[in-house]
Amino acid sequence: GAVVSQHPSWVICKSGTSVKIECRSLDFQATTMFWYRQFPKQSLMLMATSNEGSKATYEQGVEKDKFLINHASLTLSTLTVTSAHPEDSSFYICSAREGGYQETQYFGPGTRLLVL
Amino acid sequence: GQNIDQPTEMTATEGAIVQINCTYQTSGFNGLFWYQQHAGEAPTFLSYNVLDGLEEKGRFSSFLSRSKGYSYLLLKELQMKDSASYLCAVRDWNGKSNYQLIWGAGTKLIIKP
Repeated sequence: GAVVSQHPSWVICKSGTSVKIECRSLDFQATTMFWYRQFPKQSLMLMATSNEGSKATYEQGVEKDKFLINHASLTLSTLTVTSAHPEDSSFYICSAREGGYQETQYFGPGTRLLVL
Repeated sequence: GQNIDQPTEMTATEGAIVQINCTYQTSGFNGLFWYQQHAGEAPTFLSYNVLDGLEEKGRFSSFLSRSKGYSYLLLKELQMKDSASYLCAVRDWNGKSNYQLIWGAGTKLIIKP
């Protein structure tokens, strides 16, 4: 099946620093990638949808200047949390859509961010 | 508006059968997904239904009734490793230029020996 990787899997940073998370589709081309955030014991929250070569579409309430998304190629999307604060500590998960009729989303393993 | 409902938590016994229901209200329905998510891990894809009826895949089956806005995930011969959250998600036309996946809050399934 399709494989999506994320890097890093864990990151701890100081408040005010920026953190970049990479999402890669390893064996397929993903025209669309999604970024989610999940707080403990809560459901997935879609942050943004990114299409290769164009600007990301952000969900209501998500600051696009704080969560920078770049989808420069068909296999790589990055999420940069700028000037991170403790309230940004969360589980960030990306998924990639393979395309075609089913348009199944395949998820990366997630990145745990802890901002001190 | 858009709404997806599924039970918060269910308990079942190892070896038994459990059915997790999902009801939805969307304006541009175009398919329903079920995902499994173990604690602390990312979701994994289980099934996809776009037409009415039952889709069987090993121990797991998924059913859809578009007219009733209803789906269920059926798990047979339950194993302890099936303890997880099960997420129902509906693919919906957003009225602009794209589809979006709307997520339910998930059903936490607890399997007891």
